[in-house]
Amino acid sequence: DQQVKQNSPSLSVQEGRISILNCDYTNSMFDYFLWYKKYPAEGPTFLISISSIKDKNEDGRFTVFLNKSAKHLSLHIVPSQPGDSAVYFCAATSGGATNKLIFGTGTLLAVQP
Amino acid sequence: NAGVMQNPRHLVRRRGQEARLRCSPMKGHSHVYWYRQLPEEGLKFMVYLQKENIIDESGMPKERFSAEFPKEGPSILRIQQVVRGDSAAYFCASSQKGLGIHEQFFGPGTRLTVL
Repeated sequence: DQQVKQNSPSLSVQEGRISILNCDYTNSMFDYFLWYKKYPAEGPTFLISISSIKDKNEDGRFTVFLNKSAKHLSLHIVPSQPGDSAVYFCAATSGGATNKLIFGTGTLLAVQP
Repeated sequence: NAGVMQNPRHLVRRRGQEARLRCSPMKGHSHVYWYRQLPEEGLKFMVYLQKENIIDESGMPKERFSAEFPKEGPSILRIQQVVRGDSAAYFCASSQKGLGIHEQFFGPGTRLTVL
C-alpha cells in the first residue's frame, strides 16, 4: 500500500524555466510533508517542508504547495538550474511518538542547459 | 560541524555472513532512524531509536535484523546470515529532540552487496 505516490518517474525541463514536481498521498493522518533531493551515491538532502496547517511555504527558489482536500502537494523550482538535476523524494509523517517518514518513489529531474 | 556519518560506505558480504552498519548522528541529535532503499524504489523506514532505547521497529524484518543505539558510540544496524535480497542502500538519519521537530538529516548511506 503506497501511501505517498510520485506518479512521474522523470521530468525534463529547460534551464531557467519552472520545474513542478508532484506528490499525492492517501493517509489523512499525515500532518507534515518534506521534500528531499538526492544525487547518485549520496544520502537525501533536506530541501523544504510544510505543515498541514499551511498551504504554501517558500525558501528561495523552492516553493511547496499543499492542497489538503486533494491530498496533493507540489514542489516548484524557479528558475531551474542544471545543478538541480537529481532525484526528488516527497515524504510525509503523522508525527506522534515515532515521526517516521513515508517516502514516495522519487522523480528524476533533468534540467537541460 | 559534521553531518551524519555512516561507515562503511560500501560493504560486500557473502551469503550467510554478518553485516554491521554504523551511524553517528549529527552533534546534538539524539534520535536515529534507519531506512533501506532497494533498487528502483523509495526509502523505507526500518527502525527508530533513541539512546539505549528502540522506540519503533515496525519496519524491520523480525528475523536476522537488529539495531541498537548505545549510551556511548554509534548506532549499529546488524544483519545476520545475509541473503541476496538484503542487497540495498541503508541510510541513517538523525533529528533533534523536541515537539514539532520533523526534519531528519541523512548520512551518505552504506551500500551493501551480498554475493
